[in-house]
Amino acid sequence: NAGVTQTPKFQVLKTGQSMTLQCAQDMNHEYMSWYRQDPGMGLRLIHYSVGAGITDQGEVPNGYNVSRSTTEDFPLRLLSAAPSQTSVYFCATLRLAGTYEQFFGPGTRLTVL
Amino acid sequence: RKEVEQDPGPFNVPEGATVAFNCTYSNSASQSFFWYRQDCRKEPKLLMSVYSSGNEDGRFTAQLNRASQYISLLIRDSKLSDSATYLCVVNIHFGNEKLTFGTGTRLTIIP
Repeated sequence: NAGVTQTPKFQVLKTGQSMTLQCAQDMNHEYMSWYRQDPGMGLRLIHYSVGAGITDQGEVPNGYNVSRSTTEDFPLRLLSAAPSQTSVYFCATLRLAGTYEQFFGPGTRLTVL
Repeated sequence: RKEVEQDPGPFNVPEGATVAFNCTYSNSASQSFFWYRQDCRKEPKLLMSVYSSGNEDGRFTAQLNRASQYISLLIRDSKLSDSATYLCVVNIHFGNEKLTFGTGTRLTIIP
């Protein structure tokens, strides 16, 4: 099992460009989420989804869109990149039973110039 | 006040020593608690859940104090491989999960 995969690993954008960060999982977890991690700020929730066709906003949703057409995939779209979106982005799934463990992808390091 | 607060450190501890971290949370409705470990430039991974009665996993002991609203992590006989950032995570809702992360405590074990 691959677990949670993210592409790309690194990306440099210019201000105003748009792009999609990809996230896929093969653990059949209903709950998926996107976080950004900035120095001194910890992990902050951008958007989350409790199942296919259902998404909701987290703590810092502005400038980002998500969709969940399948259980496996949860892409994050940056509509018009800004330098403030320079960050490390993590996709995660949540096992809604037992330990309630979150499984994270390896992250995407995004720089917006 | 932040929902989850941790001392960012860094904690520089000699190998073999015992080290403890605390994490405080503000919402008394918080229901479940976790410690995650994050290595440099890597993703966070679950270290252990924190149960009401306290729990131990090898050299690691986690405790919950609901009255004072904090959780703790104790590492005994620290190893060089324990060097990492330790994240405190609090889940406030079940069914509509709201996991809040602390900013992490950085630990370096010194040979």
